[in-house]
Amino acid sequence: DTGVSQNPRHKITKRGQNVTFRCDPISEHNRLYWYRQTLGQGPEFLTYFQNEAQLEKSRLLSDRFSAERPKGSFSTLEIQRTEQGDSAMYLCASSFEGHGRNQPQHFGDGTRLSIL
Amino acid sequence: GENVEQHPSTLSVQEGDSAVIKCTYSDSASNYFPWYKQELGKRPQLIIDIRSNVGEKKDQRIAVTLNKTAKHFSLHITETQPEDSAVYFCAAIKPFGNEKLTFGTGTRLTIIP
Repeated sequence: DTGVSQNPRHKITKRGQNVTFRCDPISEHNRLYWYRQTLGQGPEFLTYFQNEAQLEKSRLLSDRFSAERPKGSFSTLEIQRTEQGDSAMYLCASSFEGHGRNQPQHFGDGTRLSIL
Repeated sequence: GENVEQHPSTLSVQEGDSAVIKCTYSDSASNYFPWYKQELGKRPQLIIDIRSNVGEKKDQRIAVTLNKTAKHFSLHITETQPEDSAVYFCAAIKPFGNEKLTFGTGTRLTIIP
């Protein structure tokens, strides 16, 4: 499968713990995005990378959240001191930017985070 | 920022009939409009997209229309089948640096056999 890969698929943790998710984009995609989706809602943008550079962060991304894409390939999203409100599906997407036109974003299956 | 509204929130149609889902957007600078299908517990899957330089695009039973003046776009599914049952999301994106997709709130489509 050469699609976007995310792990773990599910994460259950106690409030106050730190969690880290990983995303492996489609190979050769230079853009990588993180979104958050809560039940009954559409995905909400969190942040995106062009290669290894983090170019935009949403106001939803509090200082407890940090994302990295150190080599311009896979990315990690870490949440520190988790809170009940962090429970959601965290989706990763990737695309190839070229010719100055928005290209389709392809999503992974997501990581479902549940905070006890 | 961009705001996308989507209607209806739920839609039930008889198998074989057509389904139409409508979205409006607020930012006239938006120029790319994808539609995603999401089955329960699965990833959003891109099913069709349209750019602002065209008014309509069709792919087999699925079509999307765009009215830039009115700032709305619609998804049309003809000859619906049970496997079309899912949640459908519209989205919009602006060019040149603002790369985030802004999604609608989704439409739960149920095809009645």
